Amino acid sequence: GAVVSQHPSWVICKSGTSVKIECRSLDFQATTMFWYRQFPKQSLMLMATSNEGSKATYEQGVEKDKFLINHASLTLSTLTVTSAHPEDSSFYICSARLLEQFFGPGTRLTVL
Amino acid sequence: EDKVVQSPLSLVVHEGDTVTLNCSYEVTNFRSLLWYKQEKKAPTFLFMLTSSGIEKKSGRLSSILDKKELFSILNITATQTGDSAIYLCAVVPNQAGTALIFGKGTTLSVSS
Repeated sequence: GAVVSQHPSWVICKSGTSVKIECRSLDFQATTMFWYRQFPKQSLMLMATSNEGSKATYEQGVEKDKFLINHASLTLSTLTVTSAHPEDSSFYICSARLLEQFFGPGTRLTVL
Repeated sequence: EDKVVQSPLSLVVHEGDTVTLNCSYEVTNFRSLLWYKQEKKAPTFLFMLTSSGIEKKSGRLSSILDKKELFSILNITATQTGDSAIYLCAVVPNQAGTALIFGKGTTLSVSS
């Protein structure tokens, strides 16, 4: 099946720093990618829909200035958590959709 | 508002038991329903169901969709400890480029 990769897998950073997470579709082109956040023991929460060549669409309650999304090519979307705080610590998962939706392996962000 | 409801939220069984996980939905413009298994990382794809009454099967797992009653079930027979995971149900809207609508998941624990 289609493969979606994420980098890094795990990142620990200090409060106030910015963290960039990359999401790549390895064997198909994805005009649309999705970014999810998952807190412990909860389901995936859609943060934003990333569209290649245009602005991302953010879900209600997600700050677009804090979670910057860039979808510069058909195989790469990036999520930058700006000025990260401990409450941003979470598991971030990207996905891309063909018929079904393929998920990246996720990035665990811990903000100290 | 579109929604996907899974039940039960949590389930503990003994090895060898058979379990049935439920997923009901209210979604306009339904396209298909997906089941995922999530262990420690991102969800892995199990089944995609588009037509009513056609059982999908993979080893000890099977699933079926009822588009009239708007639900799906996921069956796991002869459960093993490796089946312990969160099982997520998601509906694919018919609109291109839209994200999945997830249920909250069922946490299955299989004890030996």
